[in-house]
Amino acid sequence: NAGVTQTPKFQVLKTGQSMTLQCAQDMNHNSMYWYRQDPGMGLRLIYYSASEGTTDKGEVPNGYNVSRLNKREFSLRLESAAPSQTSVYFCASSEAQAAFGYTFGSGTRLTVV
Amino acid sequence: RKEVEQDPGPFNVPEGATVAFNCTYSNSASQSFFWYRQDCRKEPKLLMSVYSSGNEDGRFTAQLNRASQYISLLIRDSKLSDSATYLCVVNEGTNAGKSTFGDGTTLTVKP
Repeated sequence: NAGVTQTPKFQVLKTGQSMTLQCAQDMNHNSMYWYRQDPGMGLRLIYYSASEGTTDKGEVPNGYNVSRLNKREFSLRLESAAPSQTSVYFCASSEAQAAFGYTFGSGTRLTVV
Repeated sequence: RKEVEQDPGPFNVPEGATVAFNCTYSNSASQSFFWYRQDCRKEPKLLMSVYSSGNEDGRFTAQLNRASQYISLLIRDSKLSDSATYLCVVNEGTNAGKSTFGDGTTLTVKP
């Protein structure tokens, strides 16, 4: 099925470890996003890429880096994981300016101990 | 004050009930509005876009009031399967990524 694919689905890291979350979409969308969701809270934007070759910070970018590898793929890297980064991470894609809403991946549940 | 605020909930209603959620937003320049549904431990999924003229999809009706800066979602004849968290999303429309999510309202429909 067409959509947004994220890997891994679950991950446990020790404080200070690094990892990369992968995301790919096959809907030919220009824009891609990384959100985090903490219990009882709405989604908060970490980084986004309006189009291939561009990336911009969102609301909560500290501790993260991103790479828009090509039109399909957008990765999120944690260089030195901290317990505060324990969360559920969602990748999403959209047509330009998200005027028609987002399509989300199934999420990555990350625990940092 | 949050940019997007939703009814805190939770809403617990019997099957067949009508339930309404409101969501207020602070940015008067906001361009597009959406309701998403999120099941427990799942990703959000687009339920409806919200247009100035209002829109209806089966048992679901969404409305936008730009003057008062709020959107609403009405669910008629609630089903058990409607139990979920409903997220309000407001998009500035001027730049990709400029969407703000509400914290969500949890609905539980009981037999």
